[in-house]
Amino acid sequence: EAQVTQNPRYLITVTGKKLTVTCSQNMNHEYMSWYRQDPGLGLRQIYYSMNVEVTDKGDVPEGYKVSRKEKRNFPLILESPSPNQTSLYFCASSGTRTGYTEAFFGQGTRLTVV
Amino acid sequence: KDQVFQPSTVASSEGAVVEIFCNHSVSNAYNFFWYLHFPGCAPRLLVKGSKPSQQGRYNMTYERFSSSLLILQVREADAAVYYCACSGFQKLVFGTGTRLLVSP
Repeated sequence: EAQVTQNPRYLITVTGKKLTVTCSQNMNHEYMSWYRQDPGLGLRQIYYSMNVEVTDKGDVPEGYKVSRKEKRNFPLILESPSPNQTSLYFCASSGTRTGYTEAFFGQGTRLTVV
Repeated sequence: KDQVFQPSTVASSEGAVVEIFCNHSVSNAYNFFWYLHFPGCAPRLLVKGSKPSQQGRYNMTYERFSSSLLILQVREADAAVYYCACSGFQKLVFGTGTRLLVSP
């Protein structure tokens, strides 16, 4: 089954404690991205990757890092989380060979930073 | 700047046809995607393409710089956030979402 898998689904952490949210896709997609969703603000792109070892900032990259060492994985790293990073996070992937196909989303990670 | 624009809220009554409009300033964009998003769930693709298309109760209109999602016979259960997205060869850009309100 084609899917995007995020872990964990829920996470409560304390300010400053490094954390990683994993994202994996099994569709051999080139393009992967991370979004955060906050009330009234819709989906905002944090980082994206067009292929292995190619990453770029989205609209709200501050406080986040990513890596793309393998095509299937695109982890989101918060080196020193702060309460303003409390949000719902979505990972998405899409193919790009004939222009962008639809984005497939993971189930979301609800992060709370206290 | 590459952006997708859509209204923040649209209100409708049950049984009506509701239209959610979207336009963009994304360079070289040629595909539109419409997603349905219930809180806490993954956004789900409803309809997509570079021409008018239909999937069940969902119709998509297409112009070079704009698209509308038409929901036929809208129901209370359709109350959710709808995202418009555009893609070209270099980017996939989402709008900020339209909250659909449905009254009985």
